[in-house]
Amino acid sequence: ETGVTQSPTHLIKTRGQQVTLRCSSQSGHNTVSWYQQALGQGPQFIFQYYREEENGRGNFPPRFSGLQFPNYSSELNVNALELDDSALYLCASSLLEGEAFFGQGTRLTVV
Amino acid sequence: KNEVEQSPQNLTAQEGEFITINCSYSVGISALHWLQQHPGGGIVSLFMLSSGKKKHGRLIATINIQEKHSSLHITASHPRDSAVYICAVRWRGSQGNLIFGKGTKLSVKP
Repeated sequence: ETGVTQSPTHLIKTRGQQVTLRCSSQSGHNTVSWYQQALGQGPQFIFQYYREEENGRGNFPPRFSGLQFPNYSSELNVNALELDDSALYLCASSLLEGEAFFGQGTRLTVV
Repeated sequence: KNEVEQSPQNLTAQEGEFITINCSYSVGISALHWLQQHPGGGIVSLFMLSSGKKKHGRLIATINIQEKHSSLHITASHPRDSAVYICAVRWRGSQGNLIFGKGTKLSVKP
């Protein structure tokens, strides 16, 4: 067990809706990264937060946004859901540039 | 072209066999990770390497920085080793995010 927990584990949403996914970091970690993994593909970097500030962003549109809280837990928000947003969303906590510890993921299905 | 290439994509082995999974990358890195992903999605970090070799139980990971290549070896493979093994790198000078390979799906038959 990594100490990184994600909620919910599964979620079904309708196209156009908004969703919030949550990640609780491992104790002491100040960095959270979010990844999207489509079926049969490797994870793709969405963004990273370091000490509550966005510290890098991948090639995802602005409707993907995030927050990191003072306790270093994090949220990923996706607005105006599209069918292609259906994927496994993974968060990873670490110290900056340290070993990454992953949660179990949230499987989002958009119908 | 994917910046992180893994081979093979799929691998079937008999229990007890020695297994090697390879990873090549295209530019300088600060660290390379080997990860294991079981059906259902959760990812477990196996190793983080920046040079040399690491061993944990039946797993061995090596990296050759000059050749931009890493290998993951599994000795005395077991059906419970069946999973997807993913190589991920952090580019030198990046902000800490990982670039992933597509993974190697390993199936170990009893």
